[in-house]
Amino acid sequence: DAGITQSPRHKVTETGTPVTLRCHQTENHRYMYWYRQDPGHGLRLIHYSYGVKDTDKGEVSDGYSVSRSKTEDFLLTLESATSSQTSVYFCAISETGGEQYFGPGTRLTVT
Amino acid sequence: GQQLNQSPQSMFIQEGEDVSMNCTSSSIFNTWLWYKQDPGEGPVLLIALYKAGELTSNGRLTAQFGITRKDSFLNISASIPSDVGIYFCAGQLQGAQKLVFGQGTRLTINP
Repeated sequence: DAGITQSPRHKVTETGTPVTLRCHQTENHRYMYWYRQDPGHGLRLIHYSYGVKDTDKGEVSDGYSVSRSKTEDFLLTLESATSSQTSVYFCAISETGGEQYFGPGTRLTVT
Repeated sequence: GQQLNQSPQSMFIQEGEDVSMNCTSSSIFNTWLWYKQDPGEGPVLLIALYKAGELTSNGRLTAQFGITRKDSFLNISASIPSDVGIYFCAGQLQGAQKLVFGQGTRLTINP
């Protein structure tokens, strides 16, 4: 298995609070991705990174920001969490931008 | 954005039966990937396809890269209970650094 960890694995937070999710890899892969998964919507790309400090938006980026200051870490921040951001968040990594390997996920509940 | 049409959305089969699912698109893809997701876990890469017409097997799983490069197929032979889960197709467009995902096929097996 690819060395990907996500933290926290579960989080409950209140509306309006900031939340940061962390993805850490030990594979030295160039690309990193954040997805959210909701019933009926499959996997939707939030943001991705193609190198340190190089990021781009995905299809559902509103309300989210990301940062990548080191190859191994990719952070996803919800500046002010809303109930619509209750979801399961997956990080993925890729060496080429093609085959992606997924982390175990973070289940976020915004009350 | 780009979309992959994955079908069927769900399947209910008897143990031992063969399974077929497919993904189609109006766009041409350079790479096709098939993933399986077990409940509470991240998707796991099953098979990667890189050439039109390519047929690749992984145990009881066989996937094909369509000749038109606009579709892909996954077959599972002699299904067993651990095949239960959600199967996703994904495609990579030429020059893209991200994947397009299908909506998933939920497979349920009756013993």
